[in-house]
Amino acid sequence: AQTVTQSQPEMSVQEAETVTLSCTYDTSESDYYLFWYKQPPSRQMILVIRQEAYKQQNATENRFSVNFQKAAKSFSLKISDSQLGDAAMYFCAYRNIHGSGNTGKLIFGQGTTLQVKP
Amino acid sequence: SAVISQKPSRDICQRGTSLTIQCQVDSQVTMMFWYRQQPGQSLTLIATANQGSEATYESGFVIDKFPISRPNLTFSTLTVSNMSPEDSSIYLCSVVDRDYGYTFGSGTRLTVV
Repeated sequence: AQTVTQSQPEMSVQEAETVTLSCTYDTSESDYYLFWYKQPPSRQMILVIRQEAYKQQNATENRFSVNFQKAAKSFSLKISDSQLGDAAMYFCAYRNIHGSGNTGKLIFGQGTTLQVKP
Repeated sequence: SAVISQKPSRDICQRGTSLTIQCQVDSQVTMMFWYRQQPGQSLTLIATANQGSEATYESGFVIDKFPISRPNLTFSTLTVSNMSPEDSSIYLCSVVDRDYGYTFGSGTRLTVV
């Protein structure tokens, strides 16, 4: 079974600085999707960025980028120019695409709480 | 992307009672997912609800405790039955959007007293 691990329960960053959140996963599949979701105190789950495993190029969305290392099964999130509004819980998630493992469900990591200091 | 209306946003319930949570999607979707998020924790999948068939429950969750309805492709309900304080959590529904994206409801914060 696939698993997702976030080893940093809490992180903090100074406003305008850069922070990297770590995520590792375990799978025997070659094709899958990886996601980073943000959950602020409002509880709303917000998609930050998505990476298709077959794409070697790292995904980027404005100040958010990932370092996808498929062989190492690592998927870290880098937040540049951190803003106060980035403070939230961040979840890494995995989804199978093909075969019997394609149930459509997301498998989440434990989450990392990011604090942004002014 | 799809928009989900989830109700209620929060409730305080007496132990032994039941609460039904509703999710309405503004477009037709095949699969809907129900998650539980205990305070400060990650999301745990309760079940997958497909229209026209019984929901598929994850290990540790049973239909008697969490009955699910999926009468059409835009609507689903999750009932938390015979509640105890251990059921106090946030409950979220989710759908698969286009291009393998996922959209979530705004969550229901349940407190059982």
